[in-house]
Amino acid sequence: DAGVIQSPRHEVTEMGQEVTLRCKPISGHNSLFWYRQTMMRGLELLIYFNNNVPIDDSGMPEDRFSAKMPNASFSTLKIQPSEPRDSAVYFCASRSDQPSPLHFGNGTRLTVT
Amino acid sequence: QKEVEQNSGPLSVPEGAIASLNCTYSDRGSQSFFWYRQYSGKSPELIMFIYSNGDKEDGRFTAQLNKASQYVSLLIRDSQPSDSATYLCAVKGGSYIPTFGRGTSLIVHP
Repeated sequence: DAGVIQSPRHEVTEMGQEVTLRCKPISGHNSLFWYRQTMMRGLELLIYFNNNVPIDDSGMPEDRFSAKMPNASFSTLKIQPSEPRDSAVYFCASRSDQPSPLHFGNGTRLTVT
Repeated sequence: QKEVEQNSGPLSVPEGAIASLNCTYSDRGSQSFFWYRQYSGKSPELIMFIYSNGDKEDGRFTAQLNKASQYVSLLIRDSQPSDSATYLCAVKGGSYIPTFGRGTSLIVHP
């Protein structure tokens, strides 16, 4: 099993640019989560998908953030336009049936200058 | 607001000692409890989960759950320098979404 795969591992961009983060969940997992981690706020849930459908997006900070899951093997998190306060590590995680634990990808470290 | 509280630490213990990490939660309906370990610059990895009151042992790790008091703890016996990491407590209630604490930093010194 390849685990949850995220790309890119690192992203450095200038304020105002569009950023797209990608995630491939573990095959057979039907739930996918996007988290953001900072020193100040810890791990924050951004959005949760179940069977490719967004179930809870209450953690998405604002309209600049959007997420899609067009099929069971791919999800994207887009920030447009990016701002310096978006700098963080973004993790994607997937899970099979309840009450299974989450399996995390290696994360994308985003730096917005 | 469902909350999961952990002491940020750092908790410093000598090699070979028992490290005790604690976590409290606010949602009485919580059903599943997880401990993740996160090395610096890495992603969280699951080390223990517990669903029922009492103790659950796995090697050097023991998870303890007390639903009446709303706390869950992780004991690490014979601590090793390689156990130095941040330990995240995650709690899941009736929703499908686990809530994470901010983690406790553990330092095991030789």
